[in-house]
Amino acid sequence: AQKITQTQPGMFVQEKEAVTLDCTYDTSDPSYGLFWYKQPSSGEMIFLIYQGSYDQQNATEGRYSLNFQKARKSANLVISASQLGDSAMYFCAMSPNFGNEKLTFGTGTRLTIIP
Amino acid sequence: DADVTQTPRNRITKTGKRIMLECSQTKGHDRMYWYRQDPGLGLQLIYYSFDVKDINKGEISDGYSVSRQAQAKFSLSLESAIPNQTALYFCATSDPQAGGDNEQFFGPGTRLTVL
Repeated sequence: AQKITQTQPGMFVQEKEAVTLDCTYDTSDPSYGLFWYKQPSSGEMIFLIYQGSYDQQNATEGRYSLNFQKARKSANLVISASQLGDSAMYFCAMSPNFGNEKLTFGTGTRLTIIP
Repeated sequence: DADVTQTPRNRITKTGKRIMLECSQTKGHDRMYWYRQDPGLGLQLIYYSFDVKDINKGEISDGYSVSRQAQAKFSLSLESAIPNQTALYFCATSDPQAGGDNEQFFGPGTRLTVL
């Protein structure tokens, strides 16, 4: 069974600062995928970034980067230069076989950007 | 037009009623999923389907059933709705042959209230 843990229920960050959202995971699968999704107040789920378990380099996508530490089983999301529009719920998720199968989600972190 | 659509977007019903939530996709993906999100929590998998003839239970399938009418359509039914099934329901699709980041593509969600 796979498990995702997000220990920060809420965070407040000043606009233009960088923010790190924590995610730890547990799985016995040797091959897995890690994902971050954003859910604004409007409710839709927006894909942000993906990391495969055998990827040597940390994934990056614009202002988003995934700090993947396999030995520690952590997959933290880093948002650089935060913007007011980044205020949302953020979910870490994982899937076996590098992804593309059923996702297991964490409970999320509510990020609020302060102007 | 959206690639993954869900109908209805909002529904209020009474305990004991049968409800069907529908999902359609134009992405041509074989894999489809139904998730449920309770307030303040992450998403939990209800059912998933890897093709028209393949239906699988997820973590919380009790009280739900599904039908995969075609590659593009995946319906979720609540045979006899109860108040603790009040939640936000998401349909998602994925394609293991797509390459890229293996992400799941989510519909806009259906907000269901059972009185």
